[in-house]
Formats: sequence, C-alpha cells, structure tokens
Amino acid sequence: DAGVTQSPTHLIKTRGQQVTLRCSPKSGHDTVSWYQQALGQGPQFIFQYYEEEERQRGNFPDRFSGHQFPNYSSELNVNALLLGDSALYLCASSFGGLRGEKLFFGSGTQLSVL
Amino acid sequence: QKEVEQNSGPLSVPEGAIASLNCTYSDRGSQSFFWYRQYSGKSPELIMFIYSNGDKEDGRFTAQLNKASQYVSLLIRDSQPSDSATYLCAVKRSANAGGTSYGKLTFGQGTILTVHP
Repeated sequence: DAGVTQSPTHLIKTRGQQVTLRCSPKSGHDTVSWYQQALGQGPQFIFQYYEEEERQRGNFPDRFSGHQFPNYSSELNVNALLLGDSALYLCASSFGGLRGEKLFFGSGTQLSVL
Repeated sequence: QKEVEQNSGPLSVPEGAIASLNCTYSDRGSQSFFWYRQYSGKSPELIMFIYSNGDKEDGRFTAQLNKASQYVSLLIRDSQPSDSATYLCAVKRSANAGGTSYGKLTFGQGTILTVHP
C-alpha cells in the first residue's frame, strides 16, 4: 500500500519564477492538504482540497493556488516566487469521513528560491 | 499570542528516563489534538491523538488533555536514543458538512528532544 507520494523531492528556482509541486494521496484517501514548513518551524496550513474543490484556506497569498484531480491527486502552484517561499512543502492526505482525523504526510518537496 | 505553543527546547533526557513535552493552545473550540514526531530531514509522523479530557496510553507514550486549561502533553516513558526527534503538537477545530469532517491542523513550533545514552 503506497503512502503519500510527492514530487519532485528537491527543486531550485529563482525569484519571480513559477513552480508546480505534485502529490498522490494514500490509497483510500480523498482529501489532500498542503503545508509549508520553514526551517525550525512547525508546518503552516496552506489549503485543503476535497472533491476537486478548495474547502479551506490558510493565510497565504493568491500566489499560492492548487488543484485536485478526479483521481484525488493534487498540485500546488506558486507564482512569482519570493526568497521567503524557500521551505519544505508537505502534502498530507486523509479520509474525508466524519472520523477522518488522521493526516498522513508525504516526504515533502524541498524548495529553494535563489 | 501564538495559537499553539510548545515548551521551548531543546529537551535533553538520559536513556530510560521520562520525557515530558507540553503544549498550550488558544482556540477553545479545538476538538482534536495530535502529537507528531519528525526526524531530521523527514516528514511528520503521527504518534498519538486524543479527543477527550484525561489520559490516553499507547505503549511507551501517554497523551494527556485538559481542555479547561487548554493544555496537552505527551509523556514518553523509558526514553530511547531512537526517540530523539522534533515533537510537534497540533490542534484541530473540525467542521462537518455533507457527512464529512474537515479542518486544518494548527501546529506548534516543535520541541527538539535528545535522548542521550
């Protein structure tokens, strides 16, 4: 049973560029959440997708956008990259049922913006 | 005031001792509480969750919740060097819609635990 998979593992971009990160949820999960984790900090919630719609969003600018596909996989897009966007981006999947409390994290994408 | 605050680290304990990790939260509407372990360079891994006041034990781990005090703790008994990691406290206020539950996790900044032989 494959867990949450993310790609790519590492990415180096320059300021102003755009980036797309990808995530496949754990088998049986239908909800995908994205988190940003800066060095030495806890993960910060970006947004959550369920049934191909953004269901909840954290305090991130519109430069951060996402998408969920019919197979429940998801993409995170970041436009006009800033140096401060350098972080570990974590995808987490869960089951959207009433007791779907447990989040399972992927190994993350380490983004460096130069 | 931060939404979730954890005791400042790093915390260092000898092998075999009890490690105590603490967390306070500000949102009284929080309903679910989680402890994640994160090894250096890895992603967070869920180790405990608790919903009701009191204690919940799982092997060497005990989570304690006091909603009146808005306080969550994690005790690790018989600490091992392999327990050395960053421990993240997270809380969740759930909303229900259409038979599903959703809500973001709000994390603390983490506490670094080192267990020395």
